[in-house]
Amino acid sequence: AQSVTQLDSQVPVFEEAPVELRCNYSSSVSVYLFWYVQYPNQGLQLLLKYLSGSTLVKGINGFEAEFNKSQTSFHLRKPSVHISDTAEYFCAVSYMNSGYSTLTFGKGTMLLVSP
Amino acid sequence: KAGVTQTPRYLIKTRGQQVTLSCSPISGHRSVSWYQQTPGQGLQFLFEYFSETQRNKGNFPGRFSGRQFSNSRSEMNVSTLELGDSALYLCASSLEASGGAGADTQYFGPGTRLTVL
Repeated sequence: AQSVTQLDSQVPVFEEAPVELRCNYSSSVSVYLFWYVQYPNQGLQLLLKYLSGSTLVKGINGFEAEFNKSQTSFHLRKPSVHISDTAEYFCAVSYMNSGYSTLTFGKGTMLLVSP
Repeated sequence: KAGVTQTPRYLIKTRGQQVTLSCSPISGHRSVSWYQQTPGQGLQFLFEYFSETQRNKGNFPGRFSGRQFSNSRSEMNVSTLELGDSALYLCASSLEASGGAGADTQYFGPGTRLTVL
């Protein structure tokens, strides 16, 4: 079985400060890794994903994430946040070669950006 | 291209009733997945359909069922509603063009918020 742990349920930060949202996963097989964002009263939007290759992945809105296989982590970072980044962020995994599209999500991290 | 659409957006039902939620995927997408989102349990996978066949199922009771039509539109049904079924139900579609099913980006709809009284 696979599981995803997002260590922080809430991360408060001031505008223009850097931020890191942490994600660790456990799985007995190889996985693909995703970060999604959810704004209030909306569905989820993909920020970025890691399938293979370079461990540093760049996504939309200035976000990036680094895959660390030895630490089974996929932390999300942004060097300078904006008020508009206030949202809930979800880390997710799916099995490689599973034959189906199923995401296992972490519990989410609420990013609260204040002026 | 239009995104994933879900109807209705909001629904209020009473215990014991049944409900049907609808999802229209992005044009050309053949995989449709359903997720339940609650404050306590977070996002949990319900089931996935591909070409009208249920390809994977989460750990939910048999009261939760779904189907997919030939045009890839999908419905999910919950019978004998319980208070704990109150949740945001999200539908997602994916193309599966390359890289295998698990590698594909899932595009989410805005969800149907179900309240059970």
